[in-house]
Amino acid sequence: GAGVSQSPRYKVAKRGQDVALRCDPISGHVSLFWYQQALGQGPEFLTYFQNEAQLDKSGLPSDRFFAERPEGSVSTLKIQRTQQEDSAVYLCASSLVGIPGELFFGEGSRLTVL
Amino acid sequence: AQKVTQAQTEISVVEKEDVTLDCVYETRDTTYYLFWYKQPPSGELVFLIRRNSFDEQNEISGRYSWNFQKSTSSFNFTITASQVVDSAVYFCALSEAGGNNRLAFGKGNQVVVIP
Repeated sequence: GAGVSQSPRYKVAKRGQDVALRCDPISGHVSLFWYQQALGQGPEFLTYFQNEAQLDKSGLPSDRFFAERPEGSVSTLKIQRTQQEDSAVYLCASSLVGIPGELFFGEGSRLTVL
Repeated sequence: AQKVTQAQTEISVVEKEDVTLDCVYETRDTTYYLFWYKQPPSGELVFLIRRNSFDEQNEISGRYSWNFQKSTSSFNFTITASQVVDSAVYFCALSEAGGNNRLAFGKGNQVVVIP
């Protein structure tokens, strides 16, 4: 499709497991963002890429969170040794550079840590 | 630091009524952008509008209208003649110039339109 695609849509992990969440942005979109949305809350910024460069990772909550975008297209958010507080929806968004805030979001990956 | 406050959590209206969603923001920057996004049950946030800090003109798009007032740091959103399809969570967001386009979202307003 033409939109932002995320997989898996749903992931259940046992505490301590590692998970990887994938984002396929809109073709040609230079900027890519990851956000975390807890139940009943607004999305919280995690990290930002421009092409393959990770320009801002100040929102990553701990060193267990790692994101990459090696070829400037698909991105992966990895969470190591998951904990219950990591349960949330992880949203990916992409945009054309130079248009502040007009982000195109995927449907998110809902992570539940038991 | 930037902050966005959406005080109302859930708002229920009967179809065809108008509903106004309040958004108050805080920023030290003189250049910034304000946004509204809609999040339907599918979960995908949909961009509705962007306003920059130098443009205080109100805007109308179909049944949607926005009122930006710098004097009160508010960017309110009105849905006129609401429809069931308007049922969703609506988020106000702020981005500061030079902030790598990162958005600070409010907690959202859950709008329920009752047929």
